[in-house]
Amino acid sequence: QAQLVESGGGVVQPGTSLRLSCAASGFSFTTYYIHWLRQAPGKGLEWVADISNDGRAQHYADSVRGRFSISRDNSKNTLDLQMSSLRVEDTAVYYCARGPASGAFDIWGQGAVVTVSA
Amino acid sequence: DIVMTQSPDSLAVSLGERATISCKSSHSVLYNSNNKNYLAWYQQKPGQPPKLLIYWASTRESGVPDRFSGSGSGTDFTLTISSLQAEDVAVYYCQQYYTTPSYTFGQGTKLEIK
Repeated sequence: QAQLVESGGGVVQPGTSLRLSCAASGFSFTTYYIHWLRQAPGKGLEWVADISNDGRAQHYADSVRGRFSISRDNSKNTLDLQMSSLRVEDTAVYYCARGPASGAFDIWGQGAVVTVSA
Repeated sequence: DIVMTQSPDSLAVSLGERATISCKSSHSVLYNSNNKNYLAWYQQKPGQPPKLLIYWASTRESGVPDRFSGSGSGTDFTLTISSLQAEDVAVYYCQQYYTTPSYTFGQGTKLEIK
């Protein structure tokens, strides 16, 4: 069945970098946009970034633009989120999710915990 | 960005009773060219990722029990659970995908058993 699995979370200090990965299986990876969303502790859901099925288009939330970079490797069915200049407010569970260019997110990973703390 | 506002913030309903959650958007999410409302509902249980329940405002995702239904159009939407089961205890979110890529979610509604 369709599945997304995140990896790479951890505890880092403010101002540093971290790279999250998302491995896809069970579906045609190149057919779908893939998104990153996050959820701060005890808070709601925030869309972070997405990348088109061919990797040519990327979009970012204002809160992360210029600091985060999304990429994908369609030959390996993987997605990355490079996060730099991390802030305390970036602390959250980060989810990768599958979705069409304009549609709901129908498959979600289990999430990767990122903690930014001095 | 379109602001999504849910009500109530929390809700306690007896087992077997109806639960109703409202979601209002600051701008219509009805796309006139295809007459579709770009609105989804998700269920999130503790320690789990969100699960898609409803898309296009009223289409149930495959495998979702038929006690879950979505309704509404334009700026006002409702998620209804016709007969609450113990496993429905969760936080429910609405989400608009009308203004991509600026997807936005409601603040969530926590549903508990009375």
